[in-house]
Amino acid sequence: KQEVTQIPAALSVPEGENLVLNCSFTDSAIYNLQWFRQDPGKGLTSLLLIQSSQREQTSGRLNASLDKSSGRSTLYIAASQPGDSATYLCAVGDSNYQLIWGAGTKLIIKP
Amino acid sequence: DAMVIQNPRYQVTQFGKPVTLSCSQTLNHNVMYWYQQKSSQAPKLLFHYYDKDFNNEADTPDNFQSRRPNTSFCFLDIRSPGLGDAAMYLCATSRDMASYEQYFGPGTRLTVT
Repeated sequence: KQEVTQIPAALSVPEGENLVLNCSFTDSAIYNLQWFRQDPGKGLTSLLLIQSSQREQTSGRLNASLDKSSGRSTLYIAASQPGDSATYLCAVGDSNYQLIWGAGTKLIIKP
Repeated sequence: DAMVIQNPRYQVTQFGKPVTLSCSQTLNHNVMYWYQQKSSQAPKLLFHYYDKDFNNEADTPDNFQSRRPNTSFCFLDIRSPGLGDAAMYLCATSRDMASYEQYFGPGTRLTVT
C-alpha cells in the first residue's frame, strides 16, 4: 500500500532564504506527483504536477524534482517571502487513478 | 474564470440534523470528488463521480451520501452528523480519470454543535 510522508511537519525560516520541502513515497510505481499549497482555512491550490517520466518541473520561484527510484520528491522555493507561508502538501497518483496524500509541511516565513 | 465553487463556505449544524454541502464547476470536467480534511491531516477521499457513475471509497461511512444531478453540480449529504464529522469538506474536479491534475474549490468548514 502506497504511503506518502512529508518531513518536517513544520518549518520556520527567515525571509529571503532558499528552502527545500521533502516528500517521500514507499511504492515507486507512481503515475505522477503533485504539489499543492493550502492557506489556513482555505482550499488547495495546485502548484506543480510532475509526470512519472519527468525529473522536474518549474514555475517561477518553485522547482519540484522527482526521483522515482529513491521514492523522493523535493519542492525548492527560492528567495522565500512572507506570502509563501502556508501548508504544502504532496500527493502521488496511483494505478487506481487516485491521489495518495502526505500530511503536509507547515511553512512559516519570518519577515 | 473557470472555477470550482463551494457553498456555503461555513456551515454550522446540530448533532443529528441533516446537512447538505454544494459544489459547482464551470470547467466542464467529467470527474468530481469529495474529500474530508480534518485539522493538520491530509485530505481523505470520500467518493467520486465519473460522469454519472458513483464510486464510494470502502471506508466512507454510510452516513455520507452524494448526488450529481448534472455535470456542473455535486452535493454532499450528511444524514446524521456527529461531532466527529466536523471538518473541512473539499470538492475537486478533473478532466477525466487519467488526468490526475485536480482543481479544488475553497472548501466548506462544517461545525457540529
